[in-house]
Amino acid sequence: DTEVTQTPKHLVMGMTNKKSLKCEQHMGHRAMYWYKQKAKKPPELMFVYSYEKLSINESVPSRFSPECPNSSLLNLHLHALQPEDSALYLCASSQDQGGGTNEKLFFGSGTQLSVL
Amino acid sequence: RKEVEQDPGPFNVPEGATVAFNCTYSNSASQSFFWYRQDCRKEPKLLMSVYSSGNEDGRFTAQLNRASQYISLLIRDSKLSDSATYLCVVDGLNTGTASKLTFGTGTRLQVTL
Repeated sequence: DTEVTQTPKHLVMGMTNKKSLKCEQHMGHRAMYWYKQKAKKPPELMFVYSYEKLSINESVPSRFSPECPNSSLLNLHLHALQPEDSALYLCASSQDQGGGTNEKLFFGSGTQLSVL
Repeated sequence: RKEVEQDPGPFNVPEGATVAFNCTYSNSASQSFFWYRQDCRKEPKLLMSVYSSGNEDGRFTAQLNRASQYISLLIRDSKLSDSATYLCVVDGLNTGTASKLTFGTGTRLQVTL
């Protein structure tokens, strides 16, 4: 029943492949996020887009490339990944009212990625 | 000291029990606090925000102690369906434009018959 939709739900890719993860929300939220979560660990922030501009990059390797085509869509392009990049990739959105207020996040159901 | 620390668990409790989780945070300037629930192989879902005055939602009560920099979650009359990992979430760097929330490592709760 999440209002943040992620595709695909599962992805298996080789280290030489190029693939993309997609995320869509129609709640009018202006901030969108990518998180990475390994088993039994908390989600780790990767990127934040605010009003379609990249506002936070948590020193993520360049083999991960985010893109925000419009306020409803967020992509994560993957290239030359390593087996240790296998994880659950979560997209989230928040209203982003500005004014310095941190707001609650709404998560998509995630993409379970396996890199062989 | 970690930014957000939680009891590691797991907490194994019988149905109907009351269970409490604590979480400490290191940034005294933090303003926003949340509890999220995450089921195995699912996304985190917001359980409740935590307000300064404390707040209750049915069987769940959240409290904030700014002086000691900890928040708590109390679950009364535990149900089997409460079995999950409970994540304490605190705002970190305030970007002024979007949330930068820090997640605790989570506390695993297992409710048994």
